[in-house]
Amino acid sequence: EPEVTQTPSHQVTQMGQEVILRCVPISNHLYFYWYRQILGQKVEFLVSFYNNEISEKSEIFDDQFSVERPDGSNFTLKIRSTKLEDSAMYFCASISQGSSYNEQFFGPGTRLTVL
Amino acid sequence: DAKTTQPPSMDCAEGRAANLPCNHSTISGNEYVYWYRQIHSQGPQYIIHGLKNNETNEMASLIITEDRKSSTLILPHATLRDTAVYYCIVRVGNTGGFKTIFGAGTRLFVKA
Repeated sequence: EPEVTQTPSHQVTQMGQEVILRCVPISNHLYFYWYRQILGQKVEFLVSFYNNEISEKSEIFDDQFSVERPDGSNFTLKIRSTKLEDSAMYFCASISQGSSYNEQFFGPGTRLTVL
Repeated sequence: DAKTTQPPSMDCAEGRAANLPCNHSTISGNEYVYWYRQIHSQGPQYIIHGLKNNETNEMASLIITEDRKSSTLILPHATLRDTAVYYCIVRVGNTGGFKTIFGAGTRLFVKA
């Protein structure tokens, strides 16, 4: 069964450093998403991406965040200057435009720890 | 998207049916009911969805009341691996972006 993959599984970084989280969505999917989950809290929507541009973003997704689909397979989330409060699980998800019920497939997540 | 209300936690004995309720009294006519679950810090996993009719798949059954103001997710024979947080989400199915807004969900504990 096809699945969304994410790398790395765990990223430790120093405050102020840049990090790039990588995702490989399911190959025929067209909509891509990033969510985050701070330990013990809800899963929060960050951004959606379609046709090589952001289609929607939340208040969390400020100028420190950016997304990119540099080639036909990878979808990345960049945090330019990490803060302690960026420590969280980050989940990538994707949807097939052809899906009749818009099931979102989520990856296993990247645990980001900012020290 | 309409808001949902779920109990914060529930227990279920292994092998018994787990019935997870959800209230969505402000649901609109074009909004679907989706259920996802999250097993301990893993990525959320789609379970089932429905609009008006009851639905069943290999994982669960979804019972939607006739007025659509509430629904119940049924895991017919719960196992220890079904211990997870279950999210009831109401969402228009064909909006651009299809983002999912997660609430706090119901933490289901399946006990041996």
